Amino acid sequence: AQSVAQPEDQVNVAEGNPLTVKCTYSVSGNPYLFWYVQYPNRGLQFLLKYITGDNLVKGSYGFEAEFNKSQTSFHLKKPSALVSDSALYFCAVREDNNNDMRFGAGTRLTVKP
Amino acid sequence: DAGVIQSPRHEVTEMGQEVTLRCKPISGHNSLFWYRQTMMRGLELLIYFNNNVPIDDSGMPEDRFSAKMPNASFSTLKIQPSEPRDSAVYFCASSLGTSGYEQYFGPGTRLTVT
Repeated sequence: AQSVAQPEDQVNVAEGNPLTVKCTYSVSGNPYLFWYVQYPNRGLQFLLKYITGDNLVKGSYGFEAEFNKSQTSFHLKKPSALVSDSALYFCAVREDNNNDMRFGAGTRLTVKP
Repeated sequence: DAGVIQSPRHEVTEMGQEVTLRCKPISGHNSLFWYRQTMMRGLELLIYFNNNVPIDDSGMPEDRFSAKMPNASFSTLKIQPSEPRDSAVYFCASSLGTSGYEQYFGPGTRLTVT
């Protein structure tokens, strides 16, 4: 069965600095990878996904993620963080032959002014 | 589009009572998912439907939980009888399909069972 790990519970960065939120996955087939963001008292909001093709995926709000098959990683990045990026971020994985999507435990990003 | 609609947004009930959560997916989406989120267990998939048919309910905690999707625009999650450990935020999500399609989440229902 597929699984996903977010090794950091919390990431703190200063506004204007680059940010990285880490995600690693485990699947037996080809992965479909997703990033979602959750603001307080809201549902999860889709940011970006990797299905196939270019390993660098660009998404909403200036976020991007790089699929690395050899390292089984899909880290979320942004060149310059904003205070408004502070939220809970979830990585998710689904195998191409399985409809079950697995979410990571989430990483709380705090961007300080 | 209004997005995924869930009701009620908040529900407080006493142990033993029946609770019904409602969801209206985005029009045209043929997959619907129910999740539960708690601090201890994170986000858990309870059940999902494809074209109104339940496909996988292995995440449903026990027989007290049941879900239905009578048509493409409505689904319910029922807990009977409710217990304090059922307190959580319950999310409904819909998507155009499974596989490579992203899910769109509703705002959630915060359930408190006293």
